[in-house]
Amino acid sequence: KQEVTQIPAALSVPEGENLVLNCSFTDSAIYNLQWFRQDPGKGLTSLLLIQSSQREQTSGRLNASLDKSSGRSTLYIAASQPGDSATYLCAVKAIEYGNKLVFGAGTILRVKS
Amino acid sequence: DAGVIQSPRHEVTEMGQEVTLRCKPISGHDYLFWYRQTMMRGLELLIYFNNNVPIDDSGMPEDRFSAKMPNASFSTLKIQPSEPRDSAVYFCASSTYGGASGRENTGELFFGEGSRLTVL
Repeated sequence: KQEVTQIPAALSVPEGENLVLNCSFTDSAIYNLQWFRQDPGKGLTSLLLIQSSQREQTSGRLNASLDKSSGRSTLYIAASQPGDSATYLCAVKAIEYGNKLVFGAGTILRVKS
Repeated sequence: DAGVIQSPRHEVTEMGQEVTLRCKPISGHDYLFWYRQTMMRGLELLIYFNNNVPIDDSGMPEDRFSAKMPNASFSTLKIQPSEPRDSAVYFCASSTYGGASGRENTGELFFGEGSRLTVL
């Protein structure tokens, strides 16, 4: 059974710091992994999608890596800003589950000004 | 594109009443998903459609829940009768195929803003 774990559960950093959010999954048989951001009372915003054949994806200050063999992904945020404060969720599309995404519980990020 | 559009954004109703949530997916997306989010259980997939056909409804909690997709641009999730434990945020999401083999899609998933349901 595919399980997705995100560490840490919460993180508070001063503005300007570079930070790493971690996501691990138990079954390496995946189609892709997607990182989302969720602001309070809002929907999920897609940040980055990494297909199983890819090692990383970049968008602006965000970089996500994927190591399928070890069941890990990291989301790197450079030069964090207060506007980055949100909950970050990772989700894997596991081959076992076809079209279903399996979500982690999320990391709550607070960037202090 | 306007993104995935959901209505209503907020719904407060009394136990036993019928609730209908609506979703308009992104134009050209052929997969549509209904999720439910609560503090206790996180995000749960309720049902998804491919080309307007329900593919997997194993996440629908009870017969009180039903979903339809009469055409490519509209879907509904109905709860009848509603109960207090149905209180949650209900999200609709859509994606394209993405090009993988078979029916599984590898496309990026886009979510709507959600419908917050409170059943008193």
